[in-house]
Amino acid sequence: AQKITQTQPGMFVQEKEAVTLDCTYDTSDPSYGLFWYKQPSSGEMIFLIYQGSYDQQNATEGRYSLNFQKARKSANLVISASQLGDSAMYFCAMRERVSQGNLIFGKGTKLSVKP
Amino acid sequence: EAQVTQNPRYLITVTGKKLTVTCSQNMNHEYMSWYRQDPGLGLRQIYYSMNVEVTDKGDVPEGYKVSRKEKRNFPLILESPSPNQTSLYFCASSPRNNLLYGYTFGSGTRLTVV
Repeated sequence: AQKITQTQPGMFVQEKEAVTLDCTYDTSDPSYGLFWYKQPSSGEMIFLIYQGSYDQQNATEGRYSLNFQKARKSANLVISASQLGDSAMYFCAMRERVSQGNLIFGKGTKLSVKP
Repeated sequence: EAQVTQNPRYLITVTGKKLTVTCSQNMNHEYMSWYRQDPGLGLRQIYYSMNVEVTDKGDVPEGYKVSRKEKRNFPLILESPSPNQTSLYFCASSPRNNLLYGYTFGSGTRLTVV
């Protein structure tokens, strides 16, 4: 079974609008961390945002926020006020304490921002 | 500057010719890992290391070797590369077992095996 599922292979959003990228995860470990990374066409992996399994509040970093719904095992990334530079691949990932902290990735969502 | 350095960034090689991709980090991280990225498959872990002289297989270890003789270095070795190892490779490091920290990634190595 997939640990991280990203159901949107590709998405389009109009510049200046908000967009939500979906991520669901599967774990029985009560201690885990959830991450989102951005990969522009240049190829590097850029860390965006982190959410811990015990965090009470949703994480926010500038225009990025993580909509964490623990009971539903979802960790959606919300990008507000999209910019052309947000066009990239986005990966959701998880670390579990039980698996010695290995980072497990979803297959990614390609976001295209239209002017 | 805290970073993970991979070399080379780009490499084209022929089937069967042994190669090494180097990875070095300057953050004193215990944990290091190698991933390969292929279209539609996301990033898959090849090998990881919890500390010096401690390495273990990830999800796709076949055809690869690693070593961890020093804390800062974690080279990836392809003894006899094949075309199905054409991929984008990432090295990453992290403080050990701290879920508050993500990985720091290298810039990637784009390998083509012909």
